Amino acid sequence: NTGVTQTPKFRILKIGQSMTLQCTQDMNHNYMYWYRQDPGMGLKLIYYSVGAGITDKGEVPNGYNVSRSTTEDFPLRLELAAPSQTSVYFCASSYSSGLGGTEAFFGQGTRLTVV
Amino acid sequence: ILNVEQSPQSLHVQEGDSTNFTCSFPSSNFYALHWYRWETAKSPEALFVMTLNGDEKKKGRISATLNTKEGYSYLYIKGSQPEDSATYLCAFSRYGGSQGNLIFGKGTKLSVKP
Repeated sequence: NTGVTQTPKFRILKIGQSMTLQCTQDMNHNYMYWYRQDPGMGLKLIYYSVGAGITDKGEVPNGYNVSRSTTEDFPLRLELAAPSQTSVYFCASSYSSGLGGTEAFFGQGTRLTVV
Repeated sequence: ILNVEQSPQSLHVQEGDSTNFTCSFPSSNFYALHWYRWETAKSPEALFVMTLNGDEKKKGRISATLNTKEGYSYLYIKGSQPEDSATYLCAFSRYGGSQGNLIFGKGTKLSVKP
């Protein structure tokens, strides 16, 4: 298993541009998550998915969209990039943790700058 | 507002020193407490997941305790080594929360000088 793989690692976007952050995991985990981390802050949940075809909003979903067509992939879409979306984004997955009772496995992060 | 507080924010120790950090969280509706180790330019890696009051877990020189009644967890590192330098994150989840929503603290950044 290679774990959770995120691409790209770095990206600079102009205001108003769109992009998709890719995330794939090969551990057959049913739960997947997208977090963002702003300087000096804890990780904040953007969206999560409990299985293929099921997604739900987290704490900070505005400006983002997700889809989960397969167990392995959970892409995060930014439609109209804004400077407030400058952050480090982490994808994570876990096995059957409806209440966070099992460990999460994280990707290496995507550092996004919107200018 | 649910907050996880970690202290200290940063810590500088000498190689061989033992150290500990604190994670405070709301005790009501508690379900699980996680500790992660996050090295620069790498992804956070789980150290421990604890769910029971009084839980104590150990991995090598690192150990953690949990008090769910008063809402705190301690992480201990015995005989710190330079490779222990990292940010240590704690996160908790609760009954009634969004599924899988771990609420993270801001972390404690540990620097161990040789």
